Amino acid sequence: NAGVTQTPKFRILKIGQSMTLQCAQDMNHNYMYWYRQDPGMGLKLIYYSVGAGITDKGEVPNGYNVSRSTTEDFPLRLELAAPSQTSVYFCASSYRGLDYGYTFGSGTRLTVV
Amino acid sequence: GDSVTQMEGPVTLSEEAFLTINCTYTATGYPSLFWYVQYPGEGLQLLLKATKADDKGSNKGFEATYRKETTSFHLEKGSVQVSDSAVYFCALSVRGGSQGNLIFGKGTKLSVKP
Repeated sequence: NAGVTQTPKFRILKIGQSMTLQCAQDMNHNYMYWYRQDPGMGLKLIYYSVGAGITDKGEVPNGYNVSRSTTEDFPLRLELAAPSQTSVYFCASSYRGLDYGYTFGSGTRLTVV
Repeated sequence: GDSVTQMEGPVTLSEEAFLTINCTYTATGYPSLFWYVQYPGEGLQLLLKATKADDKGSNKGFEATYRKETTSFHLEKGSVQVSDSAVYFCALSVRGGSQGNLIFGKGTKLSVKP
């Protein structure tokens, strides 16, 4: 039972490069989320999805894109990386939304230099 | 708007000490409340939750009671262990749109010394 798997765990990008953060869950959860965690701050929602083919913006979507072609996968795309995107990124999933709690992945630590 | 305020850390305690981490919230409507824990190098894990006023969530010796009159959800544990060292996040659910969102506090780092 793997839960939520994120890859890579660490990545250093140069300004202007692009990359995709991968997230996969094997719990058949419909709801999936991407958060970023900045030092000393709480988590901010970037994008979320309530099912395959359905995505929506969260609080801080600028500079990111997502897709949800399957129930299992929810990749996050960074285009034209900027230093402000240096952060730890967490993917999470939930069976039926808020009151059922979220299962988080172990995170991707991204540094943009 | 909706928000969560946690006591600032870090909090350093000796093993077997009593723990309180304060959490207050501002929300419209009737949110659900959560405590999540993040151990070093890991993602967040749901510790406990309460979905309505006066509910008490509990898990692993931790407790928190949903107090609507004081808009609070303080986390308590009677006797902490070194293994409880982690960052603790209070969160509330926001209902709206097609799904809603979890609003997190900034987190409180707890260090327990033997």
